[in-house]
Amino acid sequence: EAQVTQNPRYLITVTGKKLTVTCSQNMNHEYMSWYRQDPGLGLRQIYYSMNVEVTDKGDVPEGYKVSRKEKRNFPLILESPSPNQTSLYFCASSLTIYHSGANVLTFGAGSRLTVL
Amino acid sequence: AQSVTQPDIHITVSEGASLELRCNYSYGATPYLFWYVQSPGQGLQLLLKYFSGDTLVQGIKGFEAEFKRSQSSFNLRKPSVHWSDAAEYFCAVGFLTGANNLFFGTGTRLTVIP
Repeated sequence: EAQVTQNPRYLITVTGKKLTVTCSQNMNHEYMSWYRQDPGLGLRQIYYSMNVEVTDKGDVPEGYKVSRKEKRNFPLILESPSPNQTSLYFCASSLTIYHSGANVLTFGAGSRLTVL
Repeated sequence: AQSVTQPDIHITVSEGASLELRCNYSYGATPYLFWYVQSPGQGLQLLLKYFSGDTLVQGIKGFEAEFKRSQSSFNLRKPSVHWSDAAEYFCAVGFLTGANNLFFGTGTRLTVIP
């Protein structure tokens, strides 16, 4: 089944304890992206990657890191989490970087992170 | 400034009633337009999209949306709501270039009452 898989789905951690949220897609997609969802703010892009070893900042990159060493994986790293990073995180991927009728983003199921 | 506006934070409708969720955007160019649905505890599922051509687009689950360029709107409609439609709905816009980013509205939560 074609899908985007995120782990963990739920995580409670404490301030300053490094964590990684993994994202993997099995569709051979070039483009991958991370979003965070907060009440009243919708989804905002954190980082994106147009291909292996190519990453760039989205709208809210502060406090996050990413890497794209393999095409299928795009982990989100919080080096020193803070309570304002408590959120619902979504990974997404698409075949190419360009929108078209046949190329839309596929989203993972989400990872709910709580930082105490 | 670029923006996507969903003016209704929460809408309640009776099962069987019609539904319209509003979406307006403010961008210089004509964007690509999307509606996503998020059921409780689930990820985002694409309902429908508009890229070009016929301004009335059909989606899954009986939803449709109409692009009105003069009003910069892309409202989502369904003639008869089912209890299973209770969810949060997001309008999003994207562009041909610009790293495939989607700009999302803040969402409209739909409650369906028997």
